[in-house]
Amino acid sequence: SQTIHQWPATLVQPVGSPLSLECTVEGTSNPNLYWYRQAAGRGLQLLFYSVGIGQISSEVPQNLSASRPQDRQFILSSKKLLLSDSGFYLCALETPPTGEGTEAFFGQGTRLTVV
Amino acid sequence: SQQGEEDPQALSIQEGENATMNCSYKTSINNLQWYRQNSGRGLVHLILIRSNEREKHSGRLRVTLDTSKKSSSLLITASRAADTASYFCAESGGSYIPTFGRGTSLIVHP
Repeated sequence: SQTIHQWPATLVQPVGSPLSLECTVEGTSNPNLYWYRQAAGRGLQLLFYSVGIGQISSEVPQNLSASRPQDRQFILSSKKLLLSDSGFYLCALETPPTGEGTEAFFGQGTRLTVV
Repeated sequence: SQQGEEDPQALSIQEGENATMNCSYKTSINNLQWYRQNSGRGLVHLILIRSNEREKHSGRLRVTLDTSKKSSSLLITASRAADTASYFCAESGGSYIPTFGRGTSLIVHP
């Protein structure tokens, strides 16, 4: 079965510092991978998605970037964090479509606080 | 954007009562999924309903889908305090990108 490993669980970073959040998946090949952010009291906002190695699409302009160096690795980065980057970041994978449709699985998330 | 909207935004009930949450979306979908998120935790997949299905059950959960109205509902029967969480619907269309609404915050009082 598919699993997602996302770390760290919590992170406190100063403004202007760099960021690297890593997400790795197991139990599937060639999944679609996603980064979402959830601000306090808000819904989930799609930040990036990737349909394959080196293929990144961004949904919203922002201070963040993403990379997919391997099929099962998805990284969220920033060169200089802003206060507004605080939030809860979720990595998700979506299985390749079959006759049953697709199914998404989520990591446990990283709570980032920029101070 | 296919972002769904859950309704109500907040729901407070007593243990044992049923809880109904609704989700509306804007464009055609391949499937729709419901998730639960406990405070500060990752999302847990509850149930997936395909566009050609009208109703699906899983334990105490019942999901309906009305593609003509572009809406879905999640019914939790005989709720428990442990059901307290936020519930999200997510649609997946032709691009297979799940998009989420803001969720319904459910509080079940013991």
